[in-house]
Amino acid sequence: EADIYQTPRYLVIGTGKKITLECSQTMGHDKMYWYQQDPGMELHLIHYSYGVNSTEKGDLSSESTVSRIRTEHFPLTLESARPSHTSQYLCATRGGSGNTEAFFGQGTRLTVV
Amino acid sequence: GEDVEQSLFLSVREGDSSVINCTYTDSSSTYLYWYKQEPGAGLQLLTYIFSNMDMKQDQRLTVLLNKKDKHLSLRIADTQTGDSAIYFCAEDPGGYQKVTFGIGTKLQVIP
Repeated sequence: EADIYQTPRYLVIGTGKKITLECSQTMGHDKMYWYQQDPGMELHLIHYSYGVNSTEKGDLSSESTVSRIRTEHFPLTLESARPSHTSQYLCATRGGSGNTEAFFGQGTRLTVV
Repeated sequence: GEDVEQSLFLSVREGDSSVINCTYTDSSSTYLYWYKQEPGAGLQLLTYIFSNMDMKQDQRLTVLLNKKDKHLSLRIADTQTGDSAIYFCAEDPGGYQKVTFGIGTKLQVIP
């Protein structure tokens, strides 16, 4: 059983608010990822981290920011939410090198009104 | 850059076999994955295949890899309504390089 948790599962928030999506894992994995997924669309990598104090932008430009102060946590922050940020956000982790599957959280479905 | 392509939809009758196809471009792919995403949930790894294999069978699932054509397929035998989901193909060069996902194929199983 994968131990990766995302909170909240669902969030409806007004335009201009600051929000932080939480992602926590108890597997001690170095690699963590944030994906954005619009309904019926592909996964887009928006941020990733290969360890503490390491963060990189992904393929899809995003106005969000991330931090990795601890191995277990990889929060994603939107300073000023907009309706265009409405989407599902999926967090994932992977272990070391070699054949390692990615474990996904259940996702946060964000709606900005 | 890397690219992974899949058809968007597949509809099959319960009890029939489903075949979901995927093509990829990165010849350095070491691992190829199939993930399943049920409504409102994250992605769950179904099965994977190493690039030096042609076929892998796991209960009702059969993965076929044509490395020359960079074509991957997932066959689900005796498809059930519980198999209705979105299936993502992903290619992985290994090490610390990122995994590239396809757009996902939505499988609809008709009772």
